[in-house]
Amino acid sequence: KAGVTQTPRYLIKTRGQQVTLSCSPISGHRSVSWYQQTPGQGLQFLFEYFSETQRNKGNFPGRFSGRQFSNSRSEMNVSTLELGDSALYLCASSPTATNEKLFFGSGTQLSVL
Amino acid sequence: LAKTTQPISMDSYEGQEVNITCSHNNIATNDYITWYQQFPSQGPRFIIQGYKTKVTNEVASLFIPADRKSSTLSLPRVSLSDTAVYYCLVGDNLGTSGSARQLTFGSGTQLTVLP
Repeated sequence: KAGVTQTPRYLIKTRGQQVTLSCSPISGHRSVSWYQQTPGQGLQFLFEYFSETQRNKGNFPGRFSGRQFSNSRSEMNVSTLELGDSALYLCASSPTATNEKLFFGSGTQLSVL
Repeated sequence: LAKTTQPISMDSYEGQEVNITCSHNNIATNDYITWYQQFPSQGPRFIIQGYKTKVTNEVASLFIPADRKSSTLSLPRVSLSDTAVYYCLVGDNLGTSGSARQLTFGSGTQLTVLP
């Protein structure tokens, strides 16, 4: 089985722009969650989707949004980028909403200049 | 949310057994304890998961005392390639499918294996 795929791997944007990151979960996995990782804050939960529904959202401003499609693929969007949004964005999938075993992708490294 | 506390860093030598302890005083009845390993610029990788007592797989053992307020990840005979950050994770609001779940990663433990 292919693992979790995130695209693009690297991204450079400037302040004020918006960005869309993509995540393809492992085949058959219905839960997709997103995390932001920075050296100062560590791994922080952004949101989780299960069967196209956002089930929970972390403590991030409304500029961060996401969605999940019927094939379980997910996208997250960040609008009006700020310098502090520079981070590694990680996507994780799991078979169900209650299984704690998460399978992570390699992430998208976003740099905001 | 159940918060976890781990040592910030640990050093070990090749071939030694390493034990990393995680404190989670507010663990809930339905919570499982899961450990992940992360290398730089990669996503975390699942190591082991348990609820109580002892769990062992091909790479590690997880020891959980009866009160479940802490857990210890044991890595037998570490090698240089085990140098990584190790995260202890306690699940939240597990239950029937459809209930909200928010997973909290702590600061992690940077394990450095020396030759």
